[in-house]
Amino acid sequence: AQSVTQLDSQVPVFEEAPVELRCNYSSSVSVYLFWYVQYPNQGLQLLLKYLSGSTLVKGINGFEAEFNKSQTSFHLRKPSVHISDTAEYFCAVSAVYNTDKLIFGTGTRLQVFP
Amino acid sequence: EAGVVQSPRYKIIEKKQPVAFWCNPISGHNTLYWYRQNLGQGPELLIRYENEEAVDDSQLPKDRFSAERLKGVDSTLKIQPAELGDSAVYLCASSLDPGRSDTQYFGPGTRLTVL
Repeated sequence: AQSVTQLDSQVPVFEEAPVELRCNYSSSVSVYLFWYVQYPNQGLQLLLKYLSGSTLVKGINGFEAEFNKSQTSFHLRKPSVHISDTAEYFCAVSAVYNTDKLIFGTGTRLQVFP
Repeated sequence: EAGVVQSPRYKIIEKKQPVAFWCNPISGHNTLYWYRQNLGQGPELLIRYENEEAVDDSQLPKDRFSAERLKGVDSTLKIQPAELGDSAVYLCASSLDPGRSDTQYFGPGTRLTVL
């Protein structure tokens, strides 16, 4: 079985500062990794995903994430955040043999202050 | 292109009452998912459909929950009777085809409050 740990439940940051949201996963098989964002009263939207190839993945809204197999991590980063990035961010994992079953972490609330 | 549509957006009921949620996926999407998101948690899969067939319902509490996807398009999730612990956001998602790690597109959800 797979599991995801998002260590930070909340991350406060000032506008234009860099941010990193941490995600660690556990799995005995190869996995695909995802980051979703959820704005208030909206559904989840895919930011980026890692399937194979380059371990540095670029997504929408200036976000990127790096897959680190040895550390079983998939941290999300943005060099300069905006007020509009305030949202809940979810890391998710699926086994490569069962790609339709996403296992989500508990989420990290990113709060950007002016 | 229209996204995943869910209704109602909000529902308040008393315990032991029945409730139903409706979902219309993105046109042409063959796979449909129902998730439950408890407060402060990530979504958890309840059931997954490939066309009209439920292929993964292992997390669906079958004593009180039921779902259907007639004609392989829209879907209904029902709870009867509802319990206090069922208060959550129920999310519907769809993806193009199974087994290809296609992006799952989520609807806005139905927020259920059981009093």
